[in-house]
Amino acid sequence: KNEVEQSPQNLTAQEGEFITINCSYSVGISALHWLQQHPGGGIVSLFMLSSGKKKHGRLIATINIQEKHSSLHITASHPRDSAVYICAVRFWQGAQKLVFGQGTRLTINP
Amino acid sequence: DSGVTQTPKHLITATGQRVTLRCSPRSGDLSVYWYQQSLDQGLQFLIQYYNGEERAKGNILERFSAQQFPDLHSELNLSSLELGDSALYFCASSVGPGPNTDTQYFGPGTRLTVL
Repeated sequence: KNEVEQSPQNLTAQEGEFITINCSYSVGISALHWLQQHPGGGIVSLFMLSSGKKKHGRLIATINIQEKHSSLHITASHPRDSAVYICAVRFWQGAQKLVFGQGTRLTINP
Repeated sequence: DSGVTQTPKHLITATGQRVTLRCSPRSGDLSVYWYQQSLDQGLQFLIQYYNGEERAKGNILERFSAQQFPDLHSELNLSSLELGDSALYFCASSVGPGPNTDTQYFGPGTRLTVL
């Protein structure tokens, strides 16, 4: 079964802390996306990965294809980073669609 | 602002009714995706159109249908509405035909409440 699991489900941290959110998937994929959903509901695409590592500002995304695992890191976290972070994958097998994890709710306290 | 527009922003209707949600993609994007986000199911892919043709189908109910018009805007039609159809409906667009190589840009969503 094609599944995507995220951990933790909820994460609360203090401003300035280094944050890691994890995403694991069950079978081979052709692409993995990290999305950010703001408290107001809007969704922004942060990264799309098929291998290696990508960095944008304080955000870093990595993927290990062999271990079927991706991480999203936030350095020097800030209260404005508070949001739900969602991992989504395109499995090699099955329909051409994204399958979403359940999301990680991140709260950064000042 | 992603460049993707969705109307209406909010919609309140009764069970059994029919509604139409509208999406205009970013200029130059040929793909439109529709997603449903409910509290208990999370985000789920419904359907994708690429340059006017249906490209991929997900967990879309038979009561729901969609189309993409020649000007590339898309409409999602929901009929015989049930309480469980209450959700946020997102539209996204991308340049190319699939989620392998293209970043998707999300619209602000339409919040549907079925009473």
